[in-house]
Order: sequence, then C-alpha cells, then structure tokens
Amino acid sequence: GAVVSQHPSRVICKSGTSVKIECRSLDFQATTMFWYRQFPKKSLMLMATSNEGSKATYEQGVEKDKFLINHASLTLSTLTVTSAHPEDSSFYICSAELRQDEQFFGPGTRLTVL
Amino acid sequence: DQQVKQNSPSLSVQEGRISILNCDYTNSMFDYFLWYKKYPAEGPTFLISISSIKDKNEDGRFTVFLNKSAKHLSLHIVPSQPGDSAVYFCAASARSGFQKLVFGTGTRLLVSP
Repeated sequence: GAVVSQHPSRVICKSGTSVKIECRSLDFQATTMFWYRQFPKKSLMLMATSNEGSKATYEQGVEKDKFLINHASLTLSTLTVTSAHPEDSSFYICSAELRQDEQFFGPGTRLTVL
Repeated sequence: DQQVKQNSPSLSVQEGRISILNCDYTNSMFDYFLWYKKYPAEGPTFLISISSIKDKNEDGRFTVFLNKSAKHLSLHIVPSQPGDSAVYFCAASARSGFQKLVFGTGTRLLVSP
C-alpha cells in the first residue's frame, strides 16, 4: 500500500517557539493532503486541507496564522505551529490522497509544549 | 456538533466471537463511509468502506452494514482475534467537494483470549 511518513514523530518544545512537522508521501504523488489533530480520547479533527501549489483551506475555528501549512510539492506538506503554547500540545496526523476516496495516513507527531 | 457518533467508547469481546461496532451520523449529505483501525501513537489504518448505494460490504472477517434510513452503520468482525484490539473510528464524507473525512469519537475494542 501507499506509505506516508511524518517527521518528527515526537517533539518537545518551549512555549513561544515554533515547530515544523513534515508530511511526505513516499511512493505516490498527492495533490491533496490533510492535517488532523487528535486530543486524548477524542476524535480526529480535520484542521485543514492542503493543496499543492495553492493556499490551504482551514476548517472553522482553526487559526491560519497559528497553523501555517505549506504544500510546496506533490510529495511534501508541512505544518508549522507558530508561537506554540501548552494548549497546542496534541497528536497531529497528516494524510495524503492517492485517489478519490483513498487517503493514507501518516504515523502522527506528538507535540508537547512546555 | 458531532456529526458522526460512536456511542460506545469501549467494547470487550472474547476471541472467536463476533465484535459489533456501531456508528451513527446526522448529516444526510454523507454518502461514503469508512472504518479505520488505530493503535496508540500511530496513524489510522483503513479497514473497509461502503458507498451509500450499498447496504453491505464484506472483506474477509470484516463486514460493514449501512442503514441509510436510520443513518446508522456497523462494523462486524468475525471471528474476533486478540490482534483486533485497537481503537476503531468510523468516518464519513460527502463526495461533492473535498474528500473531507468527519470522524467519530472511536470505540476501543478489546479482544481477550
């Protein structure tokens, strides 16, 4: 099956710093990638849809200036959490769309903001 | 506003028996439904899907049933195996527009030997 990687898998940072998370589709090209966030014992919440070469589309309630998304190539999307605060601590998961109705998920990145 | 609901946070089943995981949705625009399996600190893994034009889809030990009038779907796993122990998410999408998936809150399945 198609493989999606995320880097880093785990990151701890100080409050006020910025953190970049990479999502790569390793063996296919993905025009569209998605970023999700999961709180403990909660559902996965879609944060934004990332389209290669254009601006990301953010879900209601997601601050676009805080969660910067760049989809610079067909195999890479990045999520930057700017000026991170403890409430941003969460599990961030990306997915890449191989074809319609087929999304493959990355392994996730656990962010802890001290 | 939880459009996709999994009302049972956990389910315990003995090995060899049937596991039935339920999911309800409220948005009548949803026409494609998926089940994912997730282990802690990992991304979800696709299990099985069903389009709204069908009421049943089967793949090996996994069968998904869709009742459109009740806006309800269920995942049957038979026979259940200890390796099936994980959190199961149902997800829904409306094919018009983006393939945005709306996830349920998950059901933790524990299959005991």
